[in-house]
Amino acid sequence: GNSVTQMEGPVTLSEEAFLTINCTYTATGYPSLFWYVQYPGEGLQLLLKATKADDKGSNKGFEATYRKETTSFHLEKGSVQVSDSAVYFCALSDPADDYKLSFGAGTTVTVRA
Amino acid sequence: GAVVSQHPSRVICKSGTSVKIECRSLDFQATTMFWYRQFPKQSLMLMATSNEGSKATYEQGVEKDKFLINHASLTLSTLTVTSAHPEDSSFYICSASEVNYGYTFGSGTRLTVV
Repeated sequence: GNSVTQMEGPVTLSEEAFLTINCTYTATGYPSLFWYVQYPGEGLQLLLKATKADDKGSNKGFEATYRKETTSFHLEKGSVQVSDSAVYFCALSDPADDYKLSFGAGTTVTVRA
Repeated sequence: GAVVSQHPSRVICKSGTSVKIECRSLDFQATTMFWYRQFPKQSLMLMATSNEGSKATYEQGVEKDKFLINHASLTLSTLTVTSAHPEDSSFYICSASEVNYGYTFGSGTRLTVV
């Protein structure tokens, strides 16, 4: 079956620090990969996505590259802000599983001023 | 962009009563909607997939008689938690799928059963 494994948190950083959240996956088919962000008490917002190998998704200073050879999709941001404090979910959508989304456990990130 | 409206955002109900949660796609037609449940500090668990005009497909371990899903139109899906008990307290999130927009999530409903 499909699964997503992401770095356990919580992660606490100072403002302007470098953030990386590791994510690896297993999939039956050729999945699309996503990072979602959840702010307290809210639903999920798509942060970025990549649909094929070597694609780089980017948004709001965040980046992630689809690495098929290592089955990874690590999230990075060079300089975090307090407003980046949230829970981040790595996810995949597999055509071999009717495109259902499978989520990682989520990583809580807290950025201190 | 695509917007999914979920209502209510918070609800408190007494044990034994039923609660209905609505999920609407505001500016697109969603042929498929998904319902998730999220426990504190945990990931989203897919409960069921609903397709307009047909019965929902439930994930293993989800009681279909307890969590009734109706997808009567291309813009509305509802989840009814029947005979709610405290263990049903959770954060419920819907998602709509559309070819051009991919997955769009509602803002979630915090259900507390007392």
